[in-house]
Amino acid sequence: QLQLQESGSGLVKPSQTLSLICSVSGGSISSGGYIWNWIRQPPGKGLEWIGYIYYSGSTYYNPSLKSRVSISVDRSKNQFSLKVTSVTAADTAVYYCARGEDIMVEGVIIPDWFDPWGQGTLVTVSS
Amino acid sequence: QSVLTQPPSVSAAPGQSVTISCSGSTSNIGNNYVSWYQQFPGAAPKLLIFENNKRPSGIPDRFSGSKSGTSATLGIAGLQTGDEADYYCGAWDSSLSALYVFGSGTKVTVL
Repeated sequence: QLQLQESGSGLVKPSQTLSLICSVSGGSISSGGYIWNWIRQPPGKGLEWIGYIYYSGSTYYNPSLKSRVSISVDRSKNQFSLKVTSVTAADTAVYYCARGEDIMVEGVIIPDWFDPWGQGTLVTVSS
Repeated sequence: QSVLTQPPSVSAAPGQSVTISCSGSTSNIGNNYVSWYQQFPGAAPKLLIFENNKRPSGIPDRFSGSKSGTSATLGIAGLQTGDEADYYCGAWDSSLSALYVFGSGTKVTVL
């Protein structure tokens, strides 16, 4: 059974970089047909999709975050990572990693649905 | 402000049925698949419905999904106290700034 687990810094100072890792077990991140996503949820608010990485390394980001976000993959460790630069209090959220079923729409790989999800990790931006 | 609009809350007594609406546009629900997620307090979201109306294995058939035009609906039949949670719809938005979008979320309360 595929499982995902987030890890990383829980407290980040404003203007610094948030770094998280998602460790995948019970399956290979290199298997085709899936994309690996980051999704966040500010306290008491709804879900926001951040972006995905394909096993090949190709990425797609939420346009509103694109200038500050990067997602990378380490196939040897079966992990993928998220970095968000120049963080502010607005980046305080529970960050989830999730496997996405991929689908091709107008030549672009997009997420169809997300399953499973990691348990999530709270990242607080504060000095 | 979410691109997909859901009612903030719905409620019903145990055993009754509820429906949750998710209203969008032609750039998202109108031309792409909808999925639904259940989230208990302090827990990660869980996939309930994918590709508009399909249930993953292990999801009871009390949960159903449908789509018509630019709106989607999640139905919960035979409401149980254990169904009390937040529910989110989601879909790809193919507008100029294409991205995956989620609904604003609906709190289901079992009276």
